[in-house]
Amino acid sequence: NAGVTQTPKFRILKIGQSMTLQCTQDMNHNYMYWYRQDPGMGLKLIYYSVGAGITDKGEVPNGYNVSRSTTEDFPLRLELAAPSQTSVYFCASSPKTINYGYTFGSGTRLTVV
Amino acid sequence: QKEVEQNSGPLSVPEGAIASLNCTYSDRGSQSFFWYRQYSGKSPELIMSIYSNGDKEDGRFTAQLNKASQYVSLLIRDSQPSDSATYLCAVRFRGSSNDYKLSFGAGTTVTVRA
Repeated sequence: NAGVTQTPKFRILKIGQSMTLQCTQDMNHNYMYWYRQDPGMGLKLIYYSVGAGITDKGEVPNGYNVSRSTTEDFPLRLELAAPSQTSVYFCASSPKTINYGYTFGSGTRLTVV
Repeated sequence: QKEVEQNSGPLSVPEGAIASLNCTYSDRGSQSFFWYRQYSGKSPELIMSIYSNGDKEDGRFTAQLNKASQYVSLLIRDSQPSDSATYLCAVRFRGSSNDYKLSFGAGTTVTVRA
């Protein structure tokens, strides 16, 4: 059971480039989330999804886009990368009964130069 | 977004001592509370969850919840060097737009001195 898988683990982007962060879960969880974590700032919610075809914005959605075509996959798209998007990105999932908490992926460390 | 506040630390404790971490939250209607441990360079790992007032114990960890005072705490007994990490408090807020996600505190960094 792989849990939540994120790729890539590391990436360096130039300003203005675009990329997609991949996230896949094999636990049949309905809910999926994207967070970014900056040093000393905690986790900030970017986007989330409560099921295939349904997505919504979190606290810091600007500069990002998501899609949820299947239960398993929840990719995060960065358009026109900026230095402010340098961060560690975590994907997480949870069952519909959120009292169980989240399962996190291993993270993607992104640097925009 | 609802607020979750933690002391950022760092909290330094000697090996074998009790580490005490506190967390306060803004929404009185909050229902579920979680503690995550995050080692440097790693992803958060769920270590405790608590839903009712009182204490919940799991091994060397005890979570305490006081909804009237809107705080939740984590005690780590017999602290070990392997407990050195950042501990994140997370709170599930009620409400139709908040039913599906947690809000996280900034974390408290704990260092256990050998």
